Amino acid sequence: GQSLEQPSEVTAVEGAIVQINCTYQTSGFYGLSWYQQHDGGAPTFLSYNALDGLEETGRFSSFLSRSDSYGYLLLQELQMKDSASYFCAVNTGGFKTIFGAGTRLFVKA
Amino acid sequence: GAGVSQSPSNKVTEKGKDVELRCDPISGHTALYWYRQSLGQGLEFLIYFQGNSAPDKSGLPSDRFSAERTGGSVSTLTIQRTQQEDSAVYLCASSLNYGEDTQYFGPGTRLTVL
Repeated sequence: GQSLEQPSEVTAVEGAIVQINCTYQTSGFYGLSWYQQHDGGAPTFLSYNALDGLEETGRFSSFLSRSDSYGYLLLQELQMKDSASYFCAVNTGGFKTIFGAGTRLFVKA
Repeated sequence: GAGVSQSPSNKVTEKGKDVELRCDPISGHTALYWYRQSLGQGLEFLIYFQGNSAPDKSGLPSDRFSAERTGGSVSTLTIQRTQQEDSAVYLCASSLNYGEDTQYFGPGTRLTVL
């Protein structure tokens, strides 16, 4: 079967750095995406990695290692507003995008 | 439009009734996706449209679910003879083309089956 594994919850303090890992097992792989979803809101796109390495967008960075079927989202200088659920997703190329179950991030003052 | 819109935002129905959910994608986006999200869970892929065509319907949970898209724009997801387990938020997303890295999500329709 196809699966994406990510931690269910992560807690960090304001100003800190947090890393959310994602490992995947899919029949096809075109790229790994990350989405943020606040309670009651719709998912919003954060980043996309098709090739190995680190992509940086402001306070957020995303990393991919295709050989390890692994990626992570790095959030720096955490703010209270970063408290949300974060989903990794794989574009399998088979007309499907498979999402992980999500990691709930709690940012404490 | 400025973003993906969905209607209704909330739908409460009785078990056994049919419901129809609507999605208006971003103008010009050829790819459209339907997902289902149960409370506190991830997104479950349901179906994808490229233009008016749905190449793979295997994600639909049962034959009570169907979807169509007309004019390469608006899509409707129909659930017949609703069951309590159908209760969830149904999210629609669109992207410029299939395989684009960014999917833009609508606000969702919260379906409650009593």
